[in-house]
Amino acid sequence: EPEVTQTPSHQVTQMGQEVILRCVPISNHLYFYWYRQILGQKVEFLVSFYNNEISEKSEIFDDQFSVERPDGSNFTLKIRSTKLEDSAMYFCANTLRGRITDTQYFGPGTRLTVL
Amino acid sequence: GQQVMQIPQYQHVQEGEDFTTYCNSSTTLSNIQWYKQRPGGHPVFLIQLVKSGEVKKQKRLTFQFGEAKKNSSLHITATQTTDVGTYFCAHLRTSGTYKYIFGTGTRLKVLA
Repeated sequence: EPEVTQTPSHQVTQMGQEVILRCVPISNHLYFYWYRQILGQKVEFLVSFYNNEISEKSEIFDDQFSVERPDGSNFTLKIRSTKLEDSAMYFCANTLRGRITDTQYFGPGTRLTVL
Repeated sequence: GQQVMQIPQYQHVQEGEDFTTYCNSSTTLSNIQWYKQRPGGHPVFLIQLVKSGEVKKQKRLTFQFGEAKKNSSLHITATQTTDVGTYFCAHLRTSGTYKYIFGTGTRLKVLA
């Protein structure tokens, strides 16, 4: 079974600090996603990324957020100046293509705690 | 924006009882996917449905896509403690860009 990995598993930061969450997608997959899940709530779409650019972003994904795929393998989510309300689980996910029949594979998540 | 609602929000069942969660949209969906998230875990893809009236089975799980493609259901027969978790439906919107919209989820607790 293909596997998506994420690091770190838990990140604790002070409000106002920058954090970078890292994901290593499945190697031949082309479509990448970041999601946020506040404890006990639903999975919220943040951004989709294809062909080295953002495909779509949600209203949550404001100017404090950015994504990039710096070296063709890692896929990162940066939060420039964290706020208390950014505390959540962050999942990356990927699909082979963008088809509705594709399986979406999720990573294990990074728990971000902003103090 | 487009929303996908699920009911119930929570369900507690005795082991061996059946369980059903329903996913409803106000608009027609081209597809629906189902995910299971164990407590403390990440969403795991279960299945996708794309055809009107489609029914798919995975052992004790039965997935259905409504005729009008506005609703879907997941039914578990004879629940086991391993079925515990939150079940999400999701829709991939592919109108030029790619965005998954997740339902609100149903948290299932199975009492032994």
